[in-house]
Amino acid sequence: NAGVTQTPKFQVLKTGQSMTLQCAQDMNHNSMYWYRQDPGMGLRLIYYSASEGTTDKGEVPNGYNVSRLNKREFSLRLESAAPSQTSVYFCASSERLHLTRQGATGELFFGEGSRLTVL
Amino acid sequence: RKEVEQDPGPFNVPEGATVAFNCTYSNSASQSFFWYRQDCRKEPKLLMSVYSSGNEDGRFTAQLNRASQYISLLIRDSKLSDSATYLCVVIRGSGGYQKVTFGTGTKLQVIP
Repeated sequence: NAGVTQTPKFQVLKTGQSMTLQCAQDMNHNSMYWYRQDPGMGLRLIYYSASEGTTDKGEVPNGYNVSRLNKREFSLRLESAAPSQTSVYFCASSERLHLTRQGATGELFFGEGSRLTVL
Repeated sequence: RKEVEQDPGPFNVPEGATVAFNCTYSNSASQSFFWYRQDCRKEPKLLMSVYSSGNEDGRFTAQLNRASQYISLLIRDSKLSDSATYLCVVIRGSGGYQKVTFGTGTKLQVIP
């Protein structure tokens, strides 16, 4: 069971370079997310996609763009990388947005993470 | 004030011990609560949901105190394999998007 697959796992960039993080899920989930995790900050939402064809900003969207290519794939692009974007990036998916009605699990399935260093 | 706060630890406990973590949240409109587990350099994984009445899953017990706005996680008979960081997750909102806030995590180290 692949679950959520993200690539690359490691990347070193120079300031100003661009790159795209790829994410794919095989669970037929509607909702997908990109988070970044920094020491002492917890996981912070960059962008999310409630369903195929829609994307919305999260808490920390500046410097990033996303594309929901199809139901399976959700990519994150850094157009001009900055040292402040050094972080661990996690893609995640869920069956639906975290509905709070009884029965919603709130379960997010995460990829293994992408460690990005911007010099 | 952070929306979700956790003691970062580390909590160093011997095997077999009982350990408890708390997580406080600032917004009384928060509706759903979860504990996730994150192993070192790995992705977070759902450990358990937290229900108002409290819930138990084997050695793990989660409780919610809405009046004082905190959730807790109790681990009994700690195992070496319980060593990890435990993330508190709080969800609030309604409609199309519910805001999901992760705590920074509490690190647990179980010592032989």
